[in-house]
Amino acid sequence: AAGVIQSPRHLIKEKRETATLKCYPIPRHDTVYWYQQGPGQDPQFLISFYEKMQSDKGSIPDRFSAQQFSDYHSELNMSSLELGDSALYFCASSFSGHNYEQYFGPGTRLTVT
Amino acid sequence: AQSVTQPDIHITVSEGASLELRCNYSYGATPYLFWYVQSPGQGLQLLLKYFSGDTLVQGIKGFEAEFKRSQSSFNLRKPSVHWSDAAEYFCAVGGFTGGGNKLTFGTGTQLKVEL
Repeated sequence: AAGVIQSPRHLIKEKRETATLKCYPIPRHDTVYWYQQGPGQDPQFLISFYEKMQSDKGSIPDRFSAQQFSDYHSELNMSSLELGDSALYFCASSFSGHNYEQYFGPGTRLTVT
Repeated sequence: AQSVTQPDIHITVSEGASLELRCNYSYGATPYLFWYVQSPGQGLQLLLKYFSGDTLVQGIKGFEAEFKRSQSSFNLRKPSVHWSDAAEYFCAVGGFTGGGNKLTFGTGTQLKVEL
């Protein structure tokens, strides 16, 4: 079965640079979620989109922005990167008709040096 | 606000022994409850979920969990642990918050299995 695809899987950036993470949801899923997991931490909700509209917002820094496109893939844009942004970023997707089950991608490991 | 507590940070069990991982939640309405497992450097795999109905739910890999409303708990159990079960386990609560269905995770329980 198709799963959530995230790219890239690993990313190394320097402080103050920008990064773009991509997420391709499971086919026919219309809702995308982004989570950030710091080292040794639990995943923290950042933001979600339903039918290309932002549906909920968590602890996402103002330096980050995200959107969902017409093909339902989503991108998380991160600017002015800080050392503390180093983390594993997960994307999850779900189908609105079955909105309780979120399926997670493998994550993008971002390292800021 | 919804929250999840996993009181055990680390648990060590012998292979073949039974396992129970504790999870307590706080949520204003009927919660949607989940258990996820994460191997090192890997993504989150859904083990099982509770939405409504039968309070004992079965999941993958021989895991089960019981929802107890009176205790606000959703403990994960397995009768006989295998060495491959060593991983980190996260309990999560979800629910519609007027705009989405974000998950709130507990801090996780690291399971070590001794051979």
